Amino acid sequence: EIVLTQSPGTLSLSPGERATLSCRASQSVGSRFLAWYQQKPGQSPRLLIYGASSRATGIPDRFSGSGSGTDFTLTVSRLEPEDFAVYYCQQYDRSPWTFGQGTKVDIK
Amino acid sequence: QVQLQESGPGLLKPSETLSLTCTVSGASITNYYWNWIRQPPGKGLEWIGSFYYSGTTDYNPSLKTRVTILVDTSKNQFSLRLTSVTAADTAVYFCARGDLMDFWGQGTLVTVSS
Repeated sequence: EIVLTQSPGTLSLSPGERATLSCRASQSVGSRFLAWYQQKPGQSPRLLIYGASSRATGIPDRFSGSGSGTDFTLTVSRLEPEDFAVYYCQQYDRSPWTFGQGTKVDIK
Repeated sequence: QVQLQESGPGLLKPSETLSLTCTVSGASITNYYWNWIRQPPGKGLEWIGSFYYSGTTDYNPSLKTRVTILVDTSKNQFSLRLTSVTAADTAVYFCARGDLMDFWGQGTLVTVSS
């Protein structure tokens, strides 16, 4: 099983600041089968990024993904008030598909 | 617009069987992968299993002995069956489309308590 470890656990930032979230895999995630999701309280997760760097439909361009192999990054260039949420990475390269434990981005 | 809706009992006793249904509109379940995922209160996401459009299923090994995903193409629905539940199975259960999970249901809370 591919274990995904996200860091930091919590990121305290102000609106307008840049957020950089990390996702490290225990084994190489082939063909960049890595996705990022945003989840707000009481809501289901929303797909942000797939294929490590492709934005899903309707996702603003302040969200970007990068990385390959075992190290991946989600960047939010300038945080908007609606971006404060929990973010999860997920690999869909090898079964069982797994999620990271999440990074909470909260308001400083 | 693709929509998914989970339905099923919200309260179970230990040792009972959890049965949930996901009704899909705006897309055919004979295309794509279709998933069940769960999230214990205050915790992260756990993939339970998937139904593939080819007709095969794949389950998380941690639940494999207790899980079955069934499909009803006539109703465009798929369902989750989890046997011998315990308090550790208390969670919000989501259904979602695709390996990259681009559409999700709103989730349904299932509580296991005596």
